[in-house]
Amino acid sequence: NAGVMQNPRHLVRRRGQEARLRCSPMKGHSHVYWYRQLPEEGLKFMVYLQKENIIDESGMPKERFSAEFPKEGPSILRIQQVVRGDSAAYFCASSGTGSQPQHFGDGTRLSIL
Amino acid sequence: TQLLEQSPQFLSIQEGENLTVYCNSSSVFSSLQWYRQEPGEGPVLLVTVVTGGEVKKLKRLTFQFGDARKDSSLHITAAQPGDTGLYLCAGATYNTDKLIFGTGTRLQVFP
Repeated sequence: NAGVMQNPRHLVRRRGQEARLRCSPMKGHSHVYWYRQLPEEGLKFMVYLQKENIIDESGMPKERFSAEFPKEGPSILRIQQVVRGDSAAYFCASSGTGSQPQHFGDGTRLSIL
Repeated sequence: TQLLEQSPQFLSIQEGENLTVYCNSSSVFSSLQWYRQEPGEGPVLLVTVVTGGEVKKLKRLTFQFGDARKDSSLHITAAQPGDTGLYLCAGATYNTDKLIFGTGTRLQVFP
């Protein structure tokens, strides 16, 4: 499968724990985007990264959320001290360049107990 | 704040009917994507339109980008139950590569 791979598909955390979401882009893609989809709402942009660089993090909450895309390995979206309001589907997309269409993974569904 | 409004929000039709979904904004976009999303899955790219006035056909689906690059439409001819899903438009702006997603149109086609 050469598509965007996200894991885990489902993640359950208790309030106060940390959540780590991983995204491997399509082969040959070096641009990664993270979006969040709250229940009954549309997808909202969070952050845009290229290898080792954050290009646009205008959609990221200022606290508890961070993202990285290291030289080797997948992109990671990290949420510290999770709260109930963090429950959502988190989608990753990748593209070959910034202006090319974005292709999405099947998401990670995060549930906070 | 850039917004993309989609209409209708919900649409239930019989197999064989035609339908049009609209995506409107007051903002200008460099390109516009249409995606379809099934429950529990990620959005799947259907088409990208780039040029104002552009029309693209994908089998029974016809996509149009408005002349002013602010709006788009998706027309489905002779809808089939397999067309059921959530249709999302998403615009890319000139000064950033992030996508602004529409509010979505949930289509149900009954046999």
